[in-house]
Amino acid sequence: AQSVTQLDSQVPVFEEAPVELRCNYSSSVSVYLFWYVQYPNQGLQLLLKYLSGSTLVKGINGFEAEFNKSQTSFHLRKPSVHISDTAEYFCAVSERRQKDMRFGAGTRLTVKP
Amino acid sequence: DTAVSQTPKYLVTQMGNDKSIKCEQNLGHDTMYWYKQDSKKFLKIMFSYNNKELIINETVPNRFSPKSPDKAHLNLHINSLELGDSAVYFCASSERQAGVPTGELFFGEGSRLTVL
Repeated sequence: AQSVTQLDSQVPVFEEAPVELRCNYSSSVSVYLFWYVQYPNQGLQLLLKYLSGSTLVKGINGFEAEFNKSQTSFHLRKPSVHISDTAEYFCAVSERRQKDMRFGAGTRLTVKP
Repeated sequence: DTAVSQTPKYLVTQMGNDKSIKCEQNLGHDTMYWYKQDSKKFLKIMFSYNNKELIINETVPNRFSPKSPDKAHLNLHINSLELGDSAVYFCASSERQAGVPTGELFFGEGSRLTVL
């Protein structure tokens, strides 16, 4: 079965700095990969997804992620963060033709002024 | 118009009580889920239904019973509540393309259950 590891539980950064949130997965078959964001007291919403095709995926709010099959990674990046990006970020993997999605433990991004 | 809606948003109750959380989606999806998020924000799948049929049933105490009256609704009933049941419960739905789940989930806003 698939699994996801988010390497950093907390990432503090200053406003306008670049950020990378790391995600590694394990699976024996082809996968779909996702990043979700959860703002305080809200549900999760999709930032971006990789299903197939180009390994560089662009999402909402200026985020992007790169699928690296050899490294089994799907790191999330943003070149310049805003205070409003402060939230919990979840990486998730779904094996193709499988029924469920597995989530990482989440990374708390805190953007400081 | 809310895509995935859950009620109630907050629920405070005593140990031993029975409670239900309701979920409805208006996206036309045929697969719905319940996830549990603990105090450390860890998300764990509990159940999944596809067209009213149970397709995922993770290791969850049998005090938890999902019910899907139709493909737009998936309710969660919990008997004999325990302190450890305190968490945020998320309902979600997903779509399929050519009969295969794409995996993208649409979440409700969550129901925060506190057991005293």
